Amino acid sequence: GNSVTQMEGPVTLSEEAFLTINCTYTATGYPSLFWYVQYPGEGLQLLLKATKADDKGSNKGFEATYRKETTSFHLEKGSVQVSDSAVYFCALSDNQGGKLIFGQGTELSVKP
Amino acid sequence: SAVISQKPSRDICQRGTSLTIQCQVDSQVTMMFWYRQQPGQSLTLIATANQGSEATYESGFVIDKFPISRPNLTFSTLTVSNMSPEDSSIYLCSVAQRSYNEQFFGPGTRLTVL
Repeated sequence: GNSVTQMEGPVTLSEEAFLTINCTYTATGYPSLFWYVQYPGEGLQLLLKATKADDKGSNKGFEATYRKETTSFHLEKGSVQVSDSAVYFCALSDNQGGKLIFGQGTELSVKP
Repeated sequence: SAVISQKPSRDICQRGTSLTIQCQVDSQVTMMFWYRQQPGQSLTLIATANQGSEATYESGFVIDKFPISRPNLTFSTLTVSNMSPEDSSIYLCSVAQRSYNEQFFGPGTRLTVL
């Protein structure tokens, strides 16, 4: 079945450091891929998405490229801020029923 | 994007009781879903709420435990029945249009069962 695997957290970085959170997936067909963010005490927000191979999703300085050859959708940001501290979830949809399958989440903590 | 509200935002309940969670959207949406996020865990889909018909449940979730209603295109309820401490979780509703390209989540209901 379909699945998503994320790098384990927590990830602790200093402000202005480069961020990579790895995400790989297993799916049949052509899924859509998403990154969601959950700030402390808040609900889940869509951060970015990509719906086909080689698409790059971007938002708020974050980027992720849909790599079909490596079945990956790694999240990157060139310079993190303290306000980026949150839990990040990678997810996929098989586009057939709307169901989202989530990775286990990666907690990011950015120190000043 | 749709604006989604959930009631209650949190509750503390006794074992053996039931709680109904409401999800309201500010516009008509095609798809509505209910997810569970257990403490420190990821999100798991409970069911798809179908307007005018029975919900579609994922493996491991049953209607007797999690009855769902969806009377129209902007509202749904999830009931957690005969609760036990293992049901302590955050319950989230989400919505999407038919394209599935974007799914938006409500703020969640934090449930604690004693």
